[in-house]
Amino acid sequence: GAVVSQHPSWVICKSGTSVKIECRSLDFQATTMFWYRQFPKQSLMLMATSNEGSKATYEQGVEKDKFLINHASLTLSTLTVTSAHPEDSSFYICSAVWGANQPQHFGDGTRLSIL
Amino acid sequence: QQQVKQSPQSLIVQKGGISIINCAYENTAFDYFPWYQQFPGKGPALLIAIRPDVSEKKEGRFTISFNKSAKQFSLHIMDSQPGDSATYFCAASTGTASKLTFGTGTRLQVTL
Repeated sequence: GAVVSQHPSWVICKSGTSVKIECRSLDFQATTMFWYRQFPKQSLMLMATSNEGSKATYEQGVEKDKFLINHASLTLSTLTVTSAHPEDSSFYICSAVWGANQPQHFGDGTRLSIL
Repeated sequence: QQQVKQSPQSLIVQKGGISIINCAYENTAFDYFPWYQQFPGKGPALLIAIRPDVSEKKEGRFTISFNKSAKQFSLHIMDSQPGDSATYFCAASTGTASKLTFGTGTRLQVTL
């Protein structure tokens, strides 16, 4: 149980384009989803916290107009990287929880490469 | 105050040996301390977690030791196996389902 799926697993696109990443909880309803970014050989850095039906809460230093998060249902959250540039190239990972006393379960990440 | 410091950065252990990774935190509001294992190109997977009301928790070959007064906790991997070779992250949060603050990670290599 507690499977979190991300799509796509790898995307390459040109600079200036927008990219959407999906995060789905497959066998539970996620009350909260989190989005992290991980650069090579570094730790996970939280970007934002997303609750179904409400606006995401962004961490300090994360541009909310660049990284658009939508949590339209209890099983789906999306992260859209708008006008992506090479410095946005990273490994983006989502996680989801289904209750106040439940741990976060992570997806397998999306590797984003901007040319 | 939100940082979680993790050491060592990398670790090489022989098969069958004990791997020990240490973490320290500052924020006394943290009350949930999980350890995650991450393989290259994959997301982190929860290994084991502890709350500050216990000093030790064991699950199979994995043990967390927790020292509340020192604000430190550690992961011990007994009988380390080559399949344990991965990056390990400690983390901390205020509440189980709350946002996690991750340590810097330890790259473990278990040799034959």
